[in-house]
Amino acid sequence: ETGVTQSPTHLIKTRGQQVTLRCSSQSGHNTVSWYQQALGQGPQFIFQYYREEENGRGNFPPRFSGLQFPNYSSELNVNALELDDSALYLCASSFRRGTNTGELFFGEGSRLTVL
Amino acid sequence: AQSVSQHNHHVILSEAASLELGCNYSYGGTVNLFWYVQYPGQHLQLLLKYFSGDPLVKGIKGFEAEFIKSKFSFNLRKPSVQWSDTAEYFCAVNLMNRDDKIIFGKGTRLHILP
Repeated sequence: ETGVTQSPTHLIKTRGQQVTLRCSSQSGHNTVSWYQQALGQGPQFIFQYYREEENGRGNFPPRFSGLQFPNYSSELNVNALELDDSALYLCASSFRRGTNTGELFFGEGSRLTVL
Repeated sequence: AQSVSQHNHHVILSEAASLELGCNYSYGGTVNLFWYVQYPGQHLQLLLKYFSGDPLVKGIKGFEAEFIKSKFSFNLRKPSVQWSDTAEYFCAVNLMNRDDKIIFGKGTRLHILP
């Protein structure tokens, strides 16, 4: 167990809908990173939040957005869902020192299916 | 573009065979390096990491990896694999710039035959 919890574990949406995924980070961690893992692929970096601000973003459109709260938990929001958004969404927390993100501790993921 | 390449997508070995999984990255700056493992039905977990110092790092379950800066490589090794090593292995690189993101390779699926 990593202490990182994600909800929901599975969900089904239709094209055009919006989804919010949630993540509680491990106690003592100050950074949350979100990844998208399509079937048969490695995790793709979406963005990272540190001190409640976005701190780095991968090659994802603006309809992917996020939040980090004062207790370091986080949300990932995806608007206008597309079929290709179907994937496992992973949250990872870490303790960042300076520019060193540190070791990532992953949750179990939220599996999103878009029909 | 910055990337992480894992050379082998699928590896099949017999128990007690030696293992080496390749990983190369394309980034000229300072990096931190990781290998993560995902056992069937489980979440991603850290095998080992390199931040600085001795380029030969040892991780859990008898795994080790060597950072060769001149080759931009961080290959994972284990002298004698076990059936329980069956899993997917991911190399990851922390790009120590202002974006400070950790990017992953596509993974290597390892099957160990009993």
